[in-house]
Amino acid sequence: AQSVTQLGSHVSVSEGALVLLRCNYSSSVPPYLFWYVQYPNQGLQLLLKYTSAATLVKGINGFEAEFKKSETSFHLTKPSAHMSDAAEYFCAVSEGRGNDYKLSFGAGTTVTVRA
Amino acid sequence: NAGVTQTPKFRVLKTGQSMTLLCAQDMNHEYMYWYRQDPGMGLRLIHYSVGEGTTAKGEVPDGYNVSRLKKQNFLLGLESAAPSQTSVYFCASSSPETVSQETQYFGPGTRLLVL
Repeated sequence: AQSVTQLGSHVSVSEGALVLLRCNYSSSVPPYLFWYVQYPNQGLQLLLKYTSAATLVKGINGFEAEFKKSETSFHLTKPSAHMSDAAEYFCAVSEGRGNDYKLSFGAGTTVTVRA
Repeated sequence: NAGVTQTPKFRVLKTGQSMTLLCAQDMNHEYMYWYRQDPGMGLRLIHYSVGEGTTAKGEVPDGYNVSRLKKQNFLLGLESAAPSQTSVYFCASSSPETVSQETQYFGPGTRLLVL
């Protein structure tokens, strides 16, 4: 069984400040991990994904995430927040067994950016 | 390419009414999914399909039915709507080339209000 916990349902940062969104997972097998972003009134789009290659993954819009197996974490960061980063962010995990491919999503973290 | 499209964008139903949500994708993806999104709960998988003519239950299938008669379309039906089905519904699709690692592409969502 797999599950995802996102710490903090809401994060507020100043423009130019570090963005840090926390994600911890539980999985019985080595996982594949994803971060998705949802802008207001839109569907989800992929920011980045970890698929057992490099543990530091770079995504779009300056975001990156680091897979830490010992901590079962996949935290998302961006060094300098921009107003356009205001959105809801979802962490997701896949165990990837055969064709039974399903994603489990965290509850989401809403990011607001203060001018 | 239009990607993943959903029809309708918004609908209001009375308790007991039925409706069908349509999802269409033009990326020739094998896999398609229906999720519902509720505040504080992330996305939960309702049903999914791994190919034309096949469907399977997800995490929260009760009260919903699906059909995949054509590869590009995935229909979600509510036979007798209940207020608990008020939600935002998202369709997604993916390619199974490397199943567990594949990005899911999301539609813009359908907002459903059941009175």
